[in-house]
Amino acid sequence: GQNIDQPTEMTATEGAIVQINCTYQTSGFNGLFWYQQHAGEAPTFLSYNVLDGLEEKGRFSSFLSRSKGYSYLLLKELQMKDSASYLCAVRDQEGYQKVTFGTGTKLQVIP
Amino acid sequence: GAVVSQHPSRVICKSGTSVKIECRSLDFQATTMFWYRQFPKKSLMLMATSNEGSKATYEQGVEKDKFLINHASLTLSTLTVTSAHPEDSSFYICSARVDRGLGEKLFFGSGTQLSVL
Repeated sequence: GQNIDQPTEMTATEGAIVQINCTYQTSGFNGLFWYQQHAGEAPTFLSYNVLDGLEEKGRFSSFLSRSKGYSYLLLKELQMKDSASYLCAVRDQEGYQKVTFGTGTKLQVIP
Repeated sequence: GAVVSQHPSRVICKSGTSVKIECRSLDFQATTMFWYRQFPKKSLMLMATSNEGSKATYEQGVEKDKFLINHASLTLSTLTVTSAHPEDSSFYICSARVDRGLGEKLFFGSGTQLSVL
């Protein structure tokens, strides 16, 4: 089975840094994704990790530890437009490599 | 990047009718597409994996006869909600996985908001 946990909500201040954690217990592992989703819209891809370590892409970075079943998304220099839900998703190795999503973390950026 | 087109974006229908949602990969071939359902303020729930030329693989608890999936070509998958009821009202999103090159990503359609009266 698949179990992916994220905090439900977070609040952070404009210009600050926020870290969104994700832990997972899955029957297989073939990569972890982070997606951003604004209300009423489809998710958009942010990052992909398959090896341990930190992947940096502009203001966004993502970290993975496969041994700990843990990842985080780091957002720097927060902007108001970063207010959205952030979805952690894991791709397994079963069948057609389906991707299972976590419950998502709703981030609110305040002035 | 790859583009996935989903249509319609919004549909309102009467209870008991059927609704078809189309998901097209516009500039790449997708042997595998995924259908998700999302309730308000909830995350995406995988409903089924659609495979070109074969039967879809449904997740536990998803009724095959209720949610018919057809993946007749490498660029088109359809989801038909049969005999829709108000509890089927939801946001449905498709995604496609590219077989090579961009395989690390899922490309999502824009979603379909279904409202059943």
